[in-house]
Amino acid sequence: DAGVTQSPTHLIKTRGQQVTLRCSPKSGHDTVSWYQQALGQGPQFIFQYYEEEERQRGNFPDRFSGHQFPNYSSELNVNALLLGDSALYLCASSLGGTTEAFFGQGTRLTVV
Amino acid sequence: EDQVTQSPEALRLQEGESSSLNCSYTVSGLRGLFWYRQDPGKGPEFLFTLYSAGEEKEKERLKATLTKKESFLHITAPKPEDSATYLCAVQATDSWGKLQFGAGTQVVVTP
Repeated sequence: DAGVTQSPTHLIKTRGQQVTLRCSPKSGHDTVSWYQQALGQGPQFIFQYYEEEERQRGNFPDRFSGHQFPNYSSELNVNALLLGDSALYLCASSLGGTTEAFFGQGTRLTVV
Repeated sequence: EDQVTQSPEALRLQEGESSSLNCSYTVSGLRGLFWYRQDPGKGPEFLFTLYSAGEEKEKERLKATLTKKESFLHITAPKPEDSATYLCAVQATDSWGKLQFGAGTQVVVTP
C-alpha cells in the first residue's frame, strides 16, 4: 500500500518564477492538506482540499493556490516566488478531516 | 487563536536515560492531539492520537498522555534510533482537519 507521495523531491527556482508541486494521497484517503515548514519550525497549514474544493485556508497570501483532481491527487501552485518561500512543502492526506493525517516525504523548494 | 508550545527545544540523552517531552496547548475545543516523529529532511511520521484527558497510548519505548492543558511524550530507555524531532499538533473541533503544530523537540540519543 503506497503512502503519500510527493513530487518532485527537490526544486530550485528563481525569485519571481512560478512553481507547481504535486501530491498523491494514501490509498483510500480523500482529503489533502498542504503545509509549509521552514527550517527549525513546525509545519504551517496552507490549505486543505476535499471534494475538489478548498475547505480551509491558513494565513497565506493568494500567491498560494491549489487544486484537487477527481482521483483525490492535488497540486500546490506558488506564483511570484519570494526568497522567503524557500521551505519544505508537505502534503498530508486523511479520510475526511477528522482522522489521522499521514504525510509525504515533502518537496524541498529553494528560491534563489 | 489555537496555540501549541513544546519544551524543551532540544534534549540530549544517553542511551537508556528516560525522559519526557512537554506539549502545552490552548484551543477553543479539542478534537484531537497528535504526536509525530520527524527525521531530518523527511515528512512527519504519525505516532499517536489522543482525544480526551486521561487517555494514554504506547508504542514500543514511547508513551503519550493527555491532560486538559498539556500532553507528555515519555521516552523510556531510549536508543540512538529514537533520535529525531518530535512534533505535537492539535486539531480544534471547529477546524475540520487543520493541524496546529508546535515547533518540535529535537531529541539526540547518544550510545
